[in-house]
Amino acid sequence: KQEVTQIPAALSVPEGENLVLNCSFTDSAIYNLQWFRQDPGKGLTSLLLIQSSQREQTSGRLNASLDKSSGRSTLYIAASQPGDSATYLCAVSSNTGKLIFGQGTTLQVKP
Amino acid sequence: GAGVSQSPSNKVTEKGKDVELRCDPISGHTALYWYRQSLGQGLEFLIYFQGNSAPDKSGLPSDRFSAERTGGSVSTLTIQRTQQEDSAVYLCASSPGTGAQAKNIQYFGAGTRLSVL
Repeated sequence: KQEVTQIPAALSVPEGENLVLNCSFTDSAIYNLQWFRQDPGKGLTSLLLIQSSQREQTSGRLNASLDKSSGRSTLYIAASQPGDSATYLCAVSSNTGKLIFGQGTTLQVKP
Repeated sequence: GAGVSQSPSNKVTEKGKDVELRCDPISGHTALYWYRQSLGQGLEFLIYFQGNSAPDKSGLPSDRFSAERTGGSVSTLTIQRTQQEDSAVYLCASSPGTGAQAKNIQYFGAGTRLSVL
């Protein structure tokens, strides 16, 4: 059974810091891995999707890497801003598109 | 609208009542997913539809939960005889396809917050 773990559970940093969120999964037979952002009371917004054959994806200040063989992914946020404060969720996809989520990392960026 | 729409946004019900939650996916999206987000359990998969059929219902927690999809579009999640542990946010997502198209991103609605008193 696929299990996804995210560490840390919570993170508080001053504005401007670079930071790394970690995600690990137990079964390397995934189709893709996605990082989502969730703001309080809102749905999920997809940030980055990495196909199983890819090693990384970049969007603006965000960079996500994938090491399928070791079951790990990282989300790197450069020059963090208060507007980045949210919960970040990692999810792996099966062949049906079904997503298995981690518990999330709640990020607070202080001005 | 262009996004996934869910209704109601909030639902308060009494224990033992039945509830229906609705999801309008993005037009043309063939795959539809229901997830539940509750405190202490995180975000859990419930069921997925490809067209009107549901090849994977493995996440439905009990036989009190059922879902249907009609016309390859709107889906309804029904919870019978609600219990307090059913209190959660129920999220719906749609995607252009599955299988070889499983690489597609899922687009999520804002969810329905269900409170069972």
